[in-house]
Amino acid sequence: SQQGEEDPQALSIQEGENATMNCSYKTSINNLQWYRQNSGRGLVHLILIRSNEREKHSGRLRVTLDTSKKSSSLLITASRAADTASYFCATDAETSGSRLTFGEGTQLTVNP
Amino acid sequence: AAGVIQSPRHLIKEKRETATLKCYPIPRHDTVYWYQQGPGQDPQFLISFYEKMQSDKGSIPDRFSAQQFSDYHSELNMSSLELGDSALYFCASSWNLAESYEQYFGPGTRLTVT
Repeated sequence: SQQGEEDPQALSIQEGENATMNCSYKTSINNLQWYRQNSGRGLVHLILIRSNEREKHSGRLRVTLDTSKKSSSLLITASRAADTASYFCATDAETSGSRLTFGEGTQLTVNP
Repeated sequence: AAGVIQSPRHLIKEKRETATLKCYPIPRHDTVYWYQQGPGQDPQFLISFYEKMQSDKGSIPDRFSAQQFSDYHSELNMSSLELGDSALYFCASSWNLAESYEQYFGPGTRLTVT
């Protein structure tokens, strides 16, 4: 079964707009990570947020984590066409060590 | 900075053949993970190794085996290949001893079984 579900499944915006993607998970976690994947290519690590953290920033990325709601959000500000990709959240659950369980991904399209 | 290296990048095999995928983790990383990503799907965990010992096992078929060698590189061996094994196979590495749990992924091996 899927640990994570992502919302929305697809998002289309204009360059310069902000993009927000959400992720929900089911079990208690140690960490939550966000990855980007260009079509059929490798997974690029974006950011890790620990279970005792609530918010983290990296450049144009802002990640929040709400462990009481078992959810996370990824905000990309001032989006660019190059941000077009699939975005996955991945969790490592307390009971399963450090293996990652991925959400279904959000396909982001940034139109120039 | 050095990244995770996987070889080959593309592999075409016929049904019932065998395949070996190789992974070279980032230097100093002590943990290697293997994931399988089918078309249009999210990656699924197969197996992991910490300091050359199997540390976790996921949904890996019995036809598959893996190991990590003394130089920390890892190999995923796949036998009696089936059409359904066609997928992207990712290797990832992390430095868990340093409590740095970011997993960095290689570019993947695209396996096509015909």
